[in-house]
Amino acid sequence: DQQVKQNSPSLSVQEGRISILNCDYTNSMFDYFLWYKKYPAEGPTFLISISSIKDKNEDGRFTVFLNKSAKHLSLHIVPSQPGDSAVYFCAASAMGNTPLVFGKGTRLSVIA
Amino acid sequence: KAGVTQTPRYLIKTRGQQVTLSCSPISGHRSVSWYQQTPGQGLQFLFEYFSETQRNKGNFPGRFSGRQFSNSRSEMNVSTLELGDSALYLCASSLGDVAGGNEQFFGPGTRLTVL
Repeated sequence: DQQVKQNSPSLSVQEGRISILNCDYTNSMFDYFLWYKKYPAEGPTFLISISSIKDKNEDGRFTVFLNKSAKHLSLHIVPSQPGDSAVYFCAASAMGNTPLVFGKGTRLSVIA
Repeated sequence: KAGVTQTPRYLIKTRGQQVTLSCSPISGHRSVSWYQQTPGQGLQFLFEYFSETQRNKGNFPGRFSGRQFSNSRSEMNVSTLELGDSALYLCASSLGDVAGGNEQFFGPGTRLTVL
């Protein structure tokens, strides 16, 4: 039973265009959501997060949108750059020291 | 400030053996979590330790165990290795609860291959 789903295993985008990575969750107790980026041979690195009290959080080229009623969040990267090519993981957590639950990841390829 | 370090980086074992992986968190971090990453399953939570106590445990068999020392360093052990245990094992540390806004920092992982 996957509580966090990233239904697109891969995505290709041209440099300069927008990349949109999607994530769905099933557990209504989740109230904190994060995106991580992972390059080969490295551990994941934190990118951006959003609390359930917000519907949008922006950090430079990265924006995360949260639609609680649809239990859906998305990560927008604009403009996309070749260095953004990596695997992106969506993760969620509920209050009270519960562990992060990760999706299976989406491999983003930004083509120059 | 040094990041999360994991040793060894690569390991090859045979079925039935046991293995111990080590993780040194960022200085001052008291929470250490372990994850298993396999190609089809993403990151799956193994367990979390906070101040030497196991605070959370994932859905893995009892062959997977861990501990945390007083200096916050952590080890995980897998006994009676199976082929399916081949994976990248990631350790992550944080000051406290991630949902409380504490960022979780990952190490580079230990790539375990079971033959």
